[in-house]
Amino acid sequence: DIHMTQSPSSLSASFGDRVTITCRANESINSYLNWYQQQSGKAPKLLIYAASSLEGGVPKRFSGRASGADFTLTISSLQPEDFATYYCQQTYSRPITFGQGTRLDIK
Amino acid sequence: QAQLVESGGGGVQPGRSLRLSCAASGFIFNNYDMHWVRQAPGKGLEWVAVIWSDGNTEYYADSVKGRFTISRDNFKNTMYLQMNSLRVEDTAVYFCARQWEDITGTGMYWFDSWGQGTLVTVSS
Repeated sequence: DIHMTQSPSSLSASFGDRVTITCRANESINSYLNWYQQQSGKAPKLLIYAASSLEGGVPKRFSGRASGADFTLTISSLQPEDFATYYCQQTYSRPITFGQGTRLDIK
Repeated sequence: QAQLVESGGGGVQPGRSLRLSCAASGFIFNNYDMHWVRQAPGKGLEWVAVIWSDGNTEYYADSVKGRFTISRDNFKNTMYLQMNSLRVEDTAVYFCARQWEDITGTGMYWFDSWGQGTLVTVSS
């Protein structure tokens, strides 16, 4: 199974901050990497697919990038609704696996 | 707009069975592969199973293989998860999700629509 490691596991930040979350796979997954946001008690919501493509309707302050084995999700200027948990997901091979999540809360 | 609604969750004793349903609307259900994903209380997301659009191919996580069965009825626009021999560690919110595939043919795919989830609690 492909293991996905996210860092950090939690992050405190303020409104307007720029934050970056990293996800690393233990083997090559090309760009078969997606990012989801989950608000407390809600279903996950797709933000970024194929490592760097923004899902329709998602604000442009969200961006994704691939660099070798590392994938990053960046939020350029935090808004109140961005405080949530973020998960990466690989769909390169089955079983599909998720990172353990990064909880983003207000400093 | 795609809508997915799960049902069938509840409390059950270890070793018993439960069947979850995922009712789909707003899209052509039989065009899409569908997944179950679960989330134990306070934990992360765990993929459970997938069924292809025609219902003829399924794959499972090792943690549920041999105990859970995914199926679908394309006439009723509904997917199911039959859960047998339930264990305490199966306690989770179960989400259904639609798979969207890259139209350029790369083979990449992602989950673009999710249901709200249904809670399964396995406890004696």
